[in-house]
Amino acid sequence: QKEVEQDPGPLSVPEGAIVSLNCTYSNSAFQYFMWYRQYSRKGPELLMYTYSSGNKEDGRFTAQVDKSSKYISLFIRDSQPSDSATYLCAMSVNDYKLSFGAGTTVTVRA
Amino acid sequence: DVKVTQSSRYLVKRTGEKVFLECVQDMDHENMFWYRQDPGLGLRLIYFSYDVKMKEKGDIPEGYSVSREKKERFSLILESASTNQTSMYLCASSATGGAYGYTFGSGTRLTVV
Repeated sequence: QKEVEQDPGPLSVPEGAIVSLNCTYSNSAFQYFMWYRQYSRKGPELLMYTYSSGNKEDGRFTAQVDKSSKYISLFIRDSQPSDSATYLCAMSVNDYKLSFGAGTTVTVRA
Repeated sequence: DVKVTQSSRYLVKRTGEKVFLECVQDMDHENMFWYRQDPGLGLRLIYFSYDVKMKEKGDIPEGYSVSREKKERFSLILESASTNQTSMYLCASSATGGAYGYTFGSGTRLTVV
């Protein structure tokens, strides 16, 4: 079993829809949780960063962490074609060495 | 604009060649990492370094080595390239205690023929 599980999709939604992405994990020691966005032929870029449980909102993006269920989510509201990318979850015990999910490919149709 | 720069975007090498992938960061970060990214497998850590001349094996170090002679530069070496090392290679850096995740380079797509 992988340490971090992420459904690879692909996920296709119409413009304006809410995109819901999630990851599960097995290591209860994880306490730093991140979402990265990766456009085609580019390196990943940090999108959201959360420490421990709770919610964090940044514009159209909301990250949720439920440590009791070992489950994290990313929601994208009012999705745009420019949101089409691969989204990677990542997590860490010590904010140093990250464990990544496999990534979910999202397409937002105009 | 802070940056992690990988020297090549695309490389084609022959089986058995020694291959060098270079990565430079301009953020004075202590930590640097090399990952490979393959479809369905995500990012897998090859090696990382938390200080000059220091290195630690990641999850898949076999067939690779690294060098960090200066703080800003971290090199990945494929001692004898094989076709199963065809992949996207990503370099990243982070600050110790920075709590801001990694900054990645744009990647090097290596094809071994």
